[in-house]
Amino acid sequence: ILNVEQSPQSLHVQEGDSTNFTCSFPSSNFYALHWYRWETAKSPEALFVMTLNGDEKKKGRISATLNTKEGYSYLYIKGSQPEDSATYLCAKDGGSNYKLTFGKGTLLTVNP
Amino acid sequence: GAGVSQSPRYKVAKRGQDVALRCDPISGHVSLFWYQQALGQGPEFLTYFQNEAQLDKSGLPSDRFFAERPEGSVSTLKIQRTQQEDSAVYLCASSPTPGVFTQYFGPGTRLTVT
Repeated sequence: ILNVEQSPQSLHVQEGDSTNFTCSFPSSNFYALHWYRWETAKSPEALFVMTLNGDEKKKGRISATLNTKEGYSYLYIKGSQPEDSATYLCAKDGGSNYKLTFGKGTLLTVNP
Repeated sequence: GAGVSQSPRYKVAKRGQDVALRCDPISGHVSLFWYQQALGQGPEFLTYFQNEAQLDKSGLPSDRFFAERPEGSVSTLKIQRTQQEDSAVYLCASSPTPGVFTQYFGPGTRLTVT
């Protein structure tokens, strides 16, 4: 993996479904992994900053895990709601303490 | 409290025009960042300020791009002689101190060069 990659690019789920998506990144020079949620016409909203291998973080129905050795992070949404519809971005900090390298995002649409 | 604000939210410029994009960070935030998001891509780093000092401008795509933060608060990103490839969303973010902290983003300025 040379760049930060996210999969899938987009997905549609029904209200109430649980879903997850993946962020893959180069495992070398790892400092932190950020997750953001970006709703149309709004500011990207920070969800998690994760630094340690094996980290698990939770915020309401959303949780994330981190594997720095193999270079991936999963974001899980339990019981999706229409208001969860957004683009979910992950970004790696490769040790600069400021320069984030973003993936292209996963566009989630939750149908009522 | 107030978040990061950016103005204008939308800007249409004719090729060759100069534009100036403004960012008001969260009050008291030391660090300020600019990112560029082209259509279909993730945001890409442009430049980083710590107070008024521009510590990294390695992401600025050409010498037509210039950023400043003269008093350590408001920042302006200026693009001279705009080209079509400059069309993008320009995002500003701030964080309270240097280090592994959340970057708080503004809503972005969508620039369209015709």
